[in-house]
Amino acid sequence: EDKVVQSPLSLVVHEGDTVTLNCSYEVTNFRSLLWYKQEKKAPTFLFMLTSSGIEKKSGRLSSILDKKELFSILNITATQTGDSAVYLCAVNQFYFGTGTSLTVIP
Amino acid sequence: DGGITQSPKYLFRKEGQNVTLSCEQNLNHDAMYWYRQDPGQGLRLIYYSQIVNDFQKGDIAEGYSVSREKKESFPLTVTSAQKNPTAFYLCASSIVTIRPQHFGDGTRLSIL
Repeated sequence: EDKVVQSPLSLVVHEGDTVTLNCSYEVTNFRSLLWYKQEKKAPTFLFMLTSSGIEKKSGRLSSILDKKELFSILNITATQTGDSAVYLCAVNQFYFGTGTSLTVIP
Repeated sequence: DGGITQSPKYLFRKEGQNVTLSCEQNLNHDAMYWYRQDPGQGLRLIYYSQIVNDFQKGDIAEGYSVSREKKESFPLTVTSAQKNPTAFYLCASSIVTIRPQHFGDGTRLSIL
């Protein structure tokens, strides 16, 4: 059975901190891993990773995939209150983890 | 502006009643999806469609039905056979199934 596990389940940090969110997976025929941010209702797309070792970056957010060890991390540097959200990891489009709830305190 | 519209935002169902959730997109995407999200759980795939008049079951299709008669529309019917329908339902679309998904704002369904 395909499985995606995210950790930690929740995290509370202060503004300016750096956080690392984890996503490990066990799926057959891996094709892609995607990160989404869900603030209230609709998740919004952050990154799509298909190749191992290549970092994707967008502003203060970055992500990298390790296909050998079957995991990905999402880093957020200099966190802001607007980063407070649930971060979802999805493998092969359809298989989502439970998400990591991030709260950034001013 | 292009996007995905789900309606209604809130829906109440009586026991034994079928209800239909609407999902419309004007992004010209071929693929569309329905997910269910329960507290403390991730998104679980109910059905997806890669093209008009074609759809496949996801992991939790029992008690649900869909149709895809038009490219823009992918309605989900929650039937009386779904014993625990209270959840947040999200519709999504993508250009094709291997590309990132765009999500609607969801419908929250509750049992009266």
